[in-house]
Amino acid sequence: AQSVTQPDIHITVSEGASLELRCNYSYGATPYLFWYVQSPGQGLQLLLKYFSGDTLVQGIKGFEAEFKRSQSSFNLRKPSVHWSDAAEYFCAVAGGVTGGGNKLTFGTGTQLKVEL
Amino acid sequence: DAGVTQSPTHLIKTRGQQVTLRCSPKSGHDTVSWYQQALGQGPQFIFQYYEEEERQRGNFPDRFSGHQFPNYSSELNVNALLLGDSALYLCASSLGPLNSPLHFGNGTRLTVT
Repeated sequence: AQSVTQPDIHITVSEGASLELRCNYSYGATPYLFWYVQSPGQGLQLLLKYFSGDTLVQGIKGFEAEFKRSQSSFNLRKPSVHWSDAAEYFCAVAGGVTGGGNKLTFGTGTQLKVEL
Repeated sequence: DAGVTQSPTHLIKTRGQQVTLRCSPKSGHDTVSWYQQALGQGPQFIFQYYEEEERQRGNFPDRFSGHQFPNYSSELNVNALLLGDSALYLCASSLGPLNSPLHFGNGTRLTVT
């Protein structure tokens, strides 16, 4: 069974500072990996995805993530955080074509607070 | 380009009642998945519909059922509501059930009293 761990429940950063949100996954084969963001009372917006190829993935809003197979990690980064980035961030894994399609297993989320 | 739309946005029901939630997928998408997000948790997969059939199901009891219509829209039905069913129910659509990213709606907030 696939699983996702987001070890940081809450993170606070100052506006303009860099950000890294951690994500570790468990899956037997090469997974499909995703980062979603959720603002209060809203649905989930896809930030970026990794299916295959280049392990450094660029997303929307200046976010990027790096797939590290040896560490089973897919950490999300942003070089300079804006106040509007305050939200909850979810990492998710799917099995892809050979492993359950695009059924997602989510982590428990990381709540990001941005101090002005 | 209309995204995923869900109705209603909020709903209050009493224990034991039944509820139906509705979802229209993003234009061009043919697959609908439903997720339950309890307060403070990540979304949990309920089931997925493709070609009007349930293709995959998560660890949810039979009280949770669904349907997909020929226009790809979908309904989620929950019978015999429990207090623990209170959650945000998210609908997501995709192009096919295999390797297309999910696009989520804003959800239906269900409160069971």
